[in-house]
Amino acid sequence: DAKTTQPPSMDCAEGRAANLPCNHSTISGNEYVYWYRQIHSQGPQYIIHGLKNNETNEMASLIITEDRKSSTLILPHATLRDTAVYYCIVRVPRRGDKIIFGKGTRLHILP
Amino acid sequence: DVKVTQSSRYLVKRTGEKVFLECVQDMDHENMFWYRQDPGLGLRLIYFSYDVKMKEKGDIPEGYSVSREKKERFSLILESASTNQTSMYLCASSSERTDTQYFGPGTRLTVL
Repeated sequence: DAKTTQPPSMDCAEGRAANLPCNHSTISGNEYVYWYRQIHSQGPQYIIHGLKNNETNEMASLIITEDRKSSTLILPHATLRDTAVYYCIVRVPRRGDKIIFGKGTRLHILP
Repeated sequence: DVKVTQSSRYLVKRTGEKVFLECVQDMDHENMFWYRQDPGLGLRLIYFSYDVKMKEKGDIPEGYSVSREKKERFSLILESASTNQTSMYLCASSSERTDTQYFGPGTRLTVL
């Protein structure tokens, strides 16, 4: 699986959009971009994933650049409950393939 | 909504005890996983199962066994708990169709 690079931490004001970047310059053609988050002492929570098109669900939007070498997770109206570590991973979805998280981005939502 | 539940959030056991951790998912997923998560070591796969009664070893199966008698339930067994098995244990499930893994809330196990 390709590696990803994320900033170690970010701050965002409550109510504003939180934009979390991820670089994955060595991504291969069949690898998807996945985002998870982990709130302190809880299990990781799946957020969204995509291959090349932008995706949106009730939690977030995922913007993938045309060359697929980077992506941005957007939380449109951040709340204090969005304070968590956010992990960007790239992987080929296949049976039994383990999830490997990098160091992620620690997002602080400021009141 | 996908729901993965784990039998306990916190568990304290003594060295040598047999420990059962249970995981239940309600989405009819074929695949189920057990991970442990430790500071500085990240997520490590212990075992996974892709069907009832089927299991595959992950990266760190030593000291653990698993059981999957029903599709919705995947149990992790520590035959004789040791202090180095103190950890956060995470269960996950995924469907064959999408392979997106959904995690449970975790069990923080302390072995004294």
